[in-house]
Amino acid sequence: NAGVTQTPKFRVLKTGQSMTLLCAQDMNHEYMYWYRQDPGMGLRLIHYSVGEGTTAKGEVPDGYNVSRLKKQNFLLGLESAAPSQTSVYFCASSSSRGTNYGYTFGSGTRLTVV
Amino acid sequence: AQSVSQHNHHVILSEAASLELGCNYSYGGTVNLFWYVQYPGQHLQLLLKYFSGDPLVKGIKGFEAEFIKSKFSFNLRKPSVQWSDTAEYFCAVSSAGNTGKLIFGQGTTLQVKP
Repeated sequence: NAGVTQTPKFRVLKTGQSMTLLCAQDMNHEYMYWYRQDPGMGLRLIHYSVGEGTTAKGEVPDGYNVSRLKKQNFLLGLESAAPSQTSVYFCASSSSRGTNYGYTFGSGTRLTVV
Repeated sequence: AQSVSQHNHHVILSEAASLELGCNYSYGGTVNLFWYVQYPGQHLQLLLKYFSGDPLVKGIKGFEAEFIKSKFSFNLRKPSVQWSDTAEYFCAVSSAGNTGKLIFGQGTTLQVKP
């Protein structure tokens, strides 16, 4: 089924470790986004991309890096994980012709940093 | 900067009761408005959206929302809730620009008692 796939679904990291979250979409969408969801704070935009090879900062970019080398993939990296980065991470994509049409969300990655 | 405020953080209703969840946004330009629902353990799903035209928008599962431009509001309603509506609800706004960034409210947890 077409959609947004996130890997891994769960991960536990030790403080200072690094990891990369992968988001893949097969809908040929131009735009991709990474959000984090924390209780009582809704979803906050970390980084986004408006096309292959482009990235931009969102509301809470500190401590994260992203890359969009291929149109279908959007990677979120944590170089040195901190407990404050414990969260659920959601990737989303949308079409450039239909940014008004809403997003398609992945199923999320639950990350715990100890 | 855009912001979205959801008035109710936690709502408890009995089955068959009517529901109204408040959402206000701050942005002076043209906006697109969305309501998303997140069932326990699942990712976000689009309930309904407003871009233009009739300010009363009907979505899935019997939900509707009304855009009142003068009040910067986009409240979600359902005449009669069911136990299966227990979920978290998010209002979101995007500016009618070319990045499609969605700004989310803090979310409202709805608990429906059978």
